[in-house]
Amino acid sequence: DQQVKQNSPSLSVQEGRISILNCDYTNSMFDYFLWYKKYPAEGPTFLISISSIKDKNEDGRFTVFLNKSAKHLSLHIVPSQPGDSAVYFCAASASPGGKLIFGQGTELSVKP
Amino acid sequence: KAGVTQTPRYLIKTRGQQVTLSCSPISGHRSVSWYQQTPGQGLQFLFEYFSETQRNKGNFPGRFSGRQFSNSRSEMNVSTLELGDSALYLCASSLTGEFSPLHFGNGTRLTVT
Repeated sequence: DQQVKQNSPSLSVQEGRISILNCDYTNSMFDYFLWYKKYPAEGPTFLISISSIKDKNEDGRFTVFLNKSAKHLSLHIVPSQPGDSAVYFCAASASPGGKLIFGQGTELSVKP
Repeated sequence: KAGVTQTPRYLIKTRGQQVTLSCSPISGHRSVSWYQQTPGQGLQFLFEYFSETQRNKGNFPGRFSGRQFSNSRSEMNVSTLELGDSALYLCASSLTGEFSPLHFGNGTRLTVT
């Protein structure tokens, strides 16, 4: 049972435009959500997180939106840059404890 | 501050053998988690240790085991290797594991032939 789903395996965006990566979850007990970026041959790198008491969190070019009623979160990257090309994973956790459930990832390609 | 260090980076083993992977967390981090990454499956949670105790466990067979030492370093062991165990094994550490982001190492690539 895939509790966290990223239904788009890949996304291609032009440099300077907005990238929107989506993630759906099924477990209503999740209360902490994160996005990670992964380059080949490296471990995932933490990007941004949001707790269930918020519906938006911003950090520079990255904004995460959480819609609890729809059990949906999204990551917006504005403006997109070629260096953003990587696989993006969303993850969720139900406190307490450090068990994160990851989606399958979306490969973002930002073309110059 | 040094990041999460995993050794070795690459391993090739034969079916039926066993393997031990090592992870040194970021200094001061007490929670260590292990994940398996295979193509199309994303990152699958194996287990999490906090203060030398297994706090969470994923849905993997008993052939997968781990432990954490008093200095927070962790090891993962896989016995009776199967071809399907070929994967990237990632270790991650965090301060407490609760509402604190995981910081990942670069992983150990295990190939079982």
